[in-house]
Amino acid sequence: NAGVTQTPKFRILKIGQSMTLQCTQDMNHNYMYWYRQDPGMGLKLIYYSVGAGITDKGEVPNGYNVSRSTTEDFPLRLELAAPSQTSVYFCASSYLNEAFFGQGTRLTVV
Amino acid sequence: AQRVTQPEKLLSVFKGAPVELKCNYSYSGSPELFWYVQYSRQRLQLLLRHISRESIKGFTADLNKGETSFHLKKPFAQEEDSAMYYCALSVGLGNQFYFGTGTSLTVIP
Repeated sequence: NAGVTQTPKFRILKIGQSMTLQCTQDMNHNYMYWYRQDPGMGLKLIYYSVGAGITDKGEVPNGYNVSRSTTEDFPLRLELAAPSQTSVYFCASSYLNEAFFGQGTRLTVV
Repeated sequence: AQRVTQPEKLLSVFKGAPVELKCNYSYSGSPELFWYVQYSRQRLQLLLRHISRESIKGFTADLNKGETSFHLKKPFAQEEDSAMYYCALSVGLGNQFYFGTGTSLTVIP
């Protein structure tokens, strides 16, 4: 069991570029989440999904998009990168109210 | 609105001393509360949840609905307890997790 796997681990983007943060889990969990972690701000929920084909906005969805075509994958898309999106991004899945996290993606937008 | 507050960003205690990490929440429904921990260079992971009323690595946390608190306690801190601790609240059909800002605990040898 690999658990929750995120790629890439690090990325530097230029303003206006786009990219997709990949997240996959092999635990067959229905619930999946994307968080961003900013210094001193804790984790903020960006988007979440309760199952394949179903996604919903969290606290800070602006500037991001997600899709959930399969139970395993929950990619996060940044269309027009902005410096405010510099952060550490965590993907997670949950089962019976326990969340399992990926190792994080550190994204810098310059 | 749901909210989780951890008033201390940094907390330092000496080895063997008691430690308490504070967490307060606001939620109009019946809360499910958790403590997650992130050790250096490791993933965020579940430490304990209020519903199981268990002690993990010597840590306990009691849900106090009157004070809307879920403080994490350990009677004798160990060096390996140094980590980032997050209090979290789970709500809604999507099991949305709301996290506090975290407390960085340092146990001084």
